[in-house]
Order: sequence, then C-alpha cells, then structure tokens
Amino acid sequence: SQQGEEDPQALSIQEGENATMNCSYKTSINNLQWYRQNSGRGLVHLILIRSNEREKHSGRLRVTLDTSKKSSSLLITASRAADTASYFCATGSNDMRFGAGTRLTVKP
Amino acid sequence: GAVVSQHPSWVICKSGTSVKIECRSLDFQATTMFWYRQFPKQSLMLMATSNEGSKATYEQGVEKDKFLINHASLTLSTLTVTSAHPEDSSFYICSARDPRREETQYFGPGTRLLVL
Repeated sequence: SQQGEEDPQALSIQEGENATMNCSYKTSINNLQWYRQNSGRGLVHLILIRSNEREKHSGRLRVTLDTSKKSSSLLITASRAADTASYFCATGSNDMRFGAGTRLTVKP
Repeated sequence: GAVVSQHPSWVICKSGTSVKIECRSLDFQATTMFWYRQFPKQSLMLMATSNEGSKATYEQGVEKDKFLINHASLTLSTLTVTSAHPEDSSFYICSARDPRREETQYFGPGTRLLVL
C-alpha cells in the first residue's frame, strides 16, 4: 500500500494569500487525491489527479503532479478564513492511507 | 460527490458495553468500505478494509475480535466495538469507494465515541 506524506505540517497565512502544500509518496500510483478535514469532521474529497496528468484545476484549487519525483502540490489561491482546515493527500486504489496532513490556518 | 452517512454521530457508553457504528453509501454501491480511527490532532489510521460478502482485512495491531466488521450489503458496513474501554474513545470514520468515479473514496462524517 502507499502513503502520502504532506509538508509543511502547519501553515499560517493571511486571508487573500496563497497557500501551497506538498505531498510525497513512495511507489507508483494510478491517481492521487487531496482531501480537507475541518476539525472534528469527516474528510471532504477535493480533487483527484491521474498519474498521466501534470496539472489540474478546480475553482481556487490547483494541483500538480510530478511522478518522476513522486510528489504533488496543492495550491489554494486567494485563501479565505473558511479554508482553515487540515489537508491530506492519499494514494492507492486498494486502500487509502494518510500522512499527518498539513494544518492550514487562514487569519482574517 | 457521492454521499456516505454514518450513525450515530456521537455515542457515550459505559466501559464493558458494545457499540455498533453504521456506515452507509447513500447513492452508490460500494463493494469496499474502510474504517479509520483518529485521535485528536493526528492523522487517520486505517483499521480495516471491509469487503462486501467476505471477511474484513485488518491492519496489523488491530484486534479483529474487538472491532467486529460486517459488510452485509453493497451499501452498509458496520463496526462494532466490543467490550469498550476508555482507551477505545476516539473518532471513527468510515469511507466507501465509488467505482463510478475512479475509485474515489468518500468519507462519512465520523462517529465520536466516548467510553466512560
């Protein structure tokens, strides 16, 4: 099974700024998925990027994937206080294992 | 996205009792569901993979006799915490894999268990 590892562990920015989080993984993948978790809640699926894709957009989210480096990044543009949450990446189709996540705090 | 529900959303029980948590995929059939537990400010830890019609696959260190998983239908998996103890207090989250959406996993809202 595979596991995503996110960095940084914590990120604090001002509203309106961009936030970038990175994810590294260890083995080959079919796709990579990013999730958000608000405190005490379940995970919300944000975006899936396939292994043959290099970049994908969804609203204010931009995800890149570099399979040669086994890494992915999630960019949130024009951040809002409501974006405050923990963000996780996950890989694998047989099971889904998570890293520690990045705790993003967006200050109003 | 697809919808996964969990019930109950929170439960308080006495030590020694058993607690059942339900996970349902509401708008799709899920042959595979997953159970996780999460401690405060930590990541999700995969407990087991639940396959419809067969025995669950447990992660190393997870007691199968303590955490009973039943996946009786394509839309329902249950996790029963047997003889619960205070150390079982945690946030339990299930997820279901949607075969219509490239196996994207959708998560339930979680169940907070407090064992007194």
